[in-house]
Amino acid sequence: DGGITQSPKYLFRKEGQNVTLSCEQNLNHDAMYWYRQDPGQGLRLIYYSQIVNDFQKGDIAEGYSVSREKKESFPLTVTSAQKNPTAFYLCASSTQVRTSTDTQYFGPGTRLTVL
Amino acid sequence: SQQGEEDPQALSIQEGENATMNCSYKTSINNLQWYRQNSGRGLVHLILIRSNEREKHSGRLRVTLDTSKKSSSLLITASRAADTASYFCATGTGGFKTIFGAGTRLFVKA
Repeated sequence: DGGITQSPKYLFRKEGQNVTLSCEQNLNHDAMYWYRQDPGQGLRLIYYSQIVNDFQKGDIAEGYSVSREKKESFPLTVTSAQKNPTAFYLCASSTQVRTSTDTQYFGPGTRLTVL
Repeated sequence: SQQGEEDPQALSIQEGENATMNCSYKTSINNLQWYRQNSGRGLVHLILIRSNEREKHSGRLRVTLDTSKKSSSLLITASRAADTASYFCATGTGGFKTIFGAGTRLFVKA
């Protein structure tokens, strides 16, 4: 099956810890994205990547880091510097990022809770 | 504030009725997309309308775009309980960025 997967589905973090959220796609898409969703709000872009070994900050990158070592994978690390990390995190991919007409395909999301 | 803002924030209707959701935006766009999100899940793309199009259909979905008013509407006809979800508009202004609104929560009562 082609698609985009995220793991884990639920993640709990203690204050001061770094945690890494996984995102994998087998759609052969060049572009990948990370969004944060808070209750009752839309999606806010954290980071995006157009190609392997390249990524760009989105609107709310502070306290987050990413890597893109493989085309299929775009993990997101939520660092201790992110002061309010409790949220629903969504990963997406699209064929290219040069134009916003490309449909984005979303993973099922990871719900992160800080204890 | 968000580029796209949906109205109403929440909508409750009976099965079989039509549901209309509206989206307003502030700046010029290249395209507008509608996505659906079931509770606690990822988003699913429904339909894309380009700035030079006025109306588009896909099954029970009808989308209109009025660039002079900077607004779009999504109509779901003959709604079903399975249509219960949140619906988001997303605007593309050129380049990489797609900006999502806060969504309309639709509840269809059986």
